[in-house]
Amino acid sequence: AQSVAQPEDQVNVAEGNPLTVKCTYSVSGNPYLFWYVQYPNRGLQFLLKYITGDNLVKGSYGFEAEFNKSQTSFHLKKPSALVSDSALYFCAFISNFGNEKLTFGTGTRLTIIP
Amino acid sequence: DVKVTQSSRYLVKRTGEKVFLECVQDMDHENMFWYRQDPGLGLRLIYFSYDVKMKEKGDIPEGYSVSREKKERFSLILESASTNQTSMYLCASSPPGQGFMEAFFGQGTRLTVV
Repeated sequence: AQSVAQPEDQVNVAEGNPLTVKCTYSVSGNPYLFWYVQYPNRGLQFLLKYITGDNLVKGSYGFEAEFNKSQTSFHLKKPSALVSDSALYFCAFISNFGNEKLTFGTGTRLTIIP
Repeated sequence: DVKVTQSSRYLVKRTGEKVFLECVQDMDHENMFWYRQDPGLGLRLIYFSYDVKMKEKGDIPEGYSVSREKKERFSLILESASTNQTSMYLCASSPPGQGFMEAFFGQGTRLTVV
């Protein structure tokens, strides 16, 4: 079955340090990959997406993600973490063009330590 | 701004009751989704709809049904609520194609079945 995996349930990073939230995919054909974020007591928000083109994708709040076909990964990154980045992050994919079923990973809780 | 509105933030229902969760979007989106969110399991797709009266099963449709009689409204129905359906339910909508535009989420309905 096609899926995305987030291998870390929890990631802790010191404020000001770079952060990485990992995602690997198992999707046939050309994967369409997304990152969403859920802040406490708020709904999910779109961060960024990879459809085609440049492997480095830039998104909201200074986040970026790198699509790596050889490693089947789409890790989320930020050069300098803020306490306000603490949230639940979800990797997601759409498997078939024309059938836009959006499927999510299990989520990673990111905590930025002051 | 796109708005996806779920009719209730919190619901408490009894085992065996028929439960309706309502979702309305105001952006004329073709696609609408229902997910449930559980700790450690992420977001799991229950049903999605890509047009009025059109629906497809997601990954966990058992015990649920849906209705989409109008484009803006997508209802999730628990035919006979059970305690294992206690969860956070999230509705989302997105436009079709166009490079897979972002999905917009409602605030969620926390359902407790007692």
